[in-house]
Amino acid sequence: DAGVIQSPRHEVTEMGQEVTLRCKPISGHNSLFWYRQTMMRGLELLIYFNNNVPIDDSGMPEDRFSAKMPNASFSTLKIQPSEPRDSAVYFCASTRQGHEQYFGPGTRLTVT
Amino acid sequence: AQRVTQPEKLLSVFKGAPVELKCNYSYSGSPELFWYVQYSRQRLQLLLRHISRESIKGFTADLNKGETSFHLKKPFAQEEDSAMYYCALSGYGSSNTGKLIFGQGTTLQVKP
Repeated sequence: DAGVIQSPRHEVTEMGQEVTLRCKPISGHNSLFWYRQTMMRGLELLIYFNNNVPIDDSGMPEDRFSAKMPNASFSTLKIQPSEPRDSAVYFCASTRQGHEQYFGPGTRLTVT
Repeated sequence: AQRVTQPEKLLSVFKGAPVELKCNYSYSGSPELFWYVQYSRQRLQLLLRHISRESIKGFTADLNKGETSFHLKKPFAQEEDSAMYYCALSGYGSSNTGKLIFGQGTTLQVKP
């Protein structure tokens, strides 16, 4: 298994543009998590899904952020419009309940 | 409130010195505790979990319910241990939703 796959690995965009981050979880995992990592705030949980259903989105910073999981093998995190303060590394992770979370390599987002 | 606290942002030691990365938690119920490690520009990966009671790469961590701590220890640090370390908790057993609560992380720097 290739593990959790994220794309793109790096994204540079201008303020106001829409950004879409993608994640493919490990096959057979039924939970998926989106995290944001910054120097100031560390690792923050944004949203997580169980069996493709959003369970807790209390970590989503504001309405500019949205996430979907249309099927068990794909999820997106969208920022529209993007702002410089959204610059961070965004991680996706997946797990089978009760087991360890496996993280993707992350997407490094820079908003200028 | 559910919280994980890592009081040190940076811990710098010399090679061969003992290492202790501190982690305290607050949780209403029985938690499961984890340590994750992130080497430079790599994905997070599980280092150890308290229920396994294993020693990984020479690291150990004991859950102290009285002090609500889960400190990570290694008797002799190696340069390759330099990384970011995150302490995390989840519910245990039937309380385990898969969601992890992370601390702010501690950067361990091992000098030659």
